[in-house]
Amino acid sequence: DIQMTQSPSSVSASVGDRVTITCRASQGISSWLAWYQQKPGKAPKLLIYTASSLQSGVPSRFSGSGSGTDFTLTISSLQPEDFATYFCLQANSFPLTFGGGTKVEIK
Amino acid sequence: EVQLVESGGGLVQPGGSLRLSCAASGFTFSDYSMNWVRQAPGKGLEWVSYISSSSSTIYYADSVKGRFTISRENAKNSLYLQMTSLRDEDTAVYYCAREGGVTGVDYWGQGTLVTVSS
Repeated sequence: DIQMTQSPSSVSASVGDRVTITCRASQGISSWLAWYQQKPGKAPKLLIYTASSLQSGVPSRFSGSGSGTDFTLTISSLQPEDFATYFCLQANSFPLTFGGGTKVEIK
Repeated sequence: EVQLVESGGGLVQPGGSLRLSCAASGFTFSDYSMNWVRQAPGKGLEWVSYISSSSSTIYYADSVKGRFTISRENAKNSLYLQMTSLRDEDTAVYYCAREGGVTGVDYWGQGTLVTVSS
C-alpha cells in the first residue's frame, strides 16, 4: 500500500498569510493526487485534482504542485472561510490512501 | 447539481449487520464508478471500497474485506454497502463518493453515522 505522509498536522495562520501544506508518497504516484478541504460536520470538498488542476468553482488562491512523490498545496492569501482541515488523497492505485490531515487554525 | 444522499446508519451491537444506501442524482449514475469512504470520530479519512460503473470491478480495504459487500443498482441510481460482523473500530461516518475519472473522487455525500457499541 502507498503511505501518504502529510505535514504539518496543524498550522496557525492569520488572514492574508500564505500557507503551504505538503504530502509525500511512499512511492511514485505520477500526478494522481488530490487535495480536499473539510469543515467540521461537513463532507470533504475537492479543491485540486491531478496534483495541480483547480476544481471548478474553487478560488484561484488555492494551487497545487508536484509529481512523483512530493506534492504541495498552497493557499496564497488565507481568507476567513479557509480555516478548515485539509487532506491529500493518492489515486494512483488501490487501496486509495489519504494523508493524515492538516488543521489550519486562526492565529 | 450532483447530489449523493446516504442513509441506513445507526447504532448496532458488535457482531451485527447494517446496510447503507446512497441515492444519487444530478448525473448519469450508470456512467460513474463509486466509492465508500469512512471517518472515525475525530480521525482522518479511510477509503473502504470501490465499484466500477458496471459492477465488474470491486475493491475493498483489507480492514473490511470478507465482512463488507459493495453493490449498486443503476436502474435505481443507488449504491449500497452491506456490513456484517461489525466491530467497535467500524464506528465512523460513512460517505459515498463519486469517482470522476480524471477528477478523481470528486463529489461526496454528507455521510451517515454508524456506531458499533454494546
